[in-house]
Amino acid sequence: DAGVIQSPRHEVTEMGQEVTLRCKPISGHDYLFWYRQTMMRGLELLIYFNNNVPIDDSGMPEDRFSAKMPNASFSTLKIQPSEPRDSAVYFCASRSLYRDTEAFFGQGTRLTVV
Amino acid sequence: SQKIEQNSEALNIQEGKTATLTCNYTNYSPAYLQWYRQDPGRGPVFLLLIRENEKEKRKERLKVTFDTTLKQSLFHITASQPADSATYLCALEGRDDKIIFGKGTRLHILP
Repeated sequence: DAGVIQSPRHEVTEMGQEVTLRCKPISGHDYLFWYRQTMMRGLELLIYFNNNVPIDDSGMPEDRFSAKMPNASFSTLKIQPSEPRDSAVYFCASRSLYRDTEAFFGQGTRLTVV
Repeated sequence: SQKIEQNSEALNIQEGKTATLTCNYTNYSPAYLQWYRQDPGRGPVFLLLIRENEKEKRKERLKVTFDTTLKQSLFHITASQPADSATYLCALEGRDDKIIFGKGTRLHILP
């Protein structure tokens, strides 16, 4: 397996534009996590899914953020409209059914909103 | 609210010595505690996992301890090498399967 794949690797957009980040988890993994990382706040959990169903979205900062997982091999995180304070590195991670196992992270998407 | 604290200041250790990183948490009873390594521009990579009923776990030069009474984990790297320089993240996993991370500690191994 190629691991968790995120796209794009870098995104520069203007304030007010819609941004869509994409993630392909490892095949067979049941859990998918979206995180945001900044120097100030560290790695924050935004939302996570189990078997394509959102379990906890309490970390999503505002209604401008939304996440979907239409099938087991694809998830999106959308920001609409984007703001400069959304600039961060966004990571997707997946994990198998078994709780005492590791989470595998993608390479991240570095988002810059100007 | 749940809080994970790691030493925010960078840790400088001489090559060959043992590096010890600390993770403290409050308002949480994790089922598992994990340690990850993160290099610049990369995603975190899993190192070790320890369960709530375990006191200590070892893997090669790495050792993790877990004290649920003190709500603390210690992460040790023995015989440290410059290649061990990275940011190390502590993560807690609860019974709800949520995995939350501390801000990490930057470790520099000086040759």
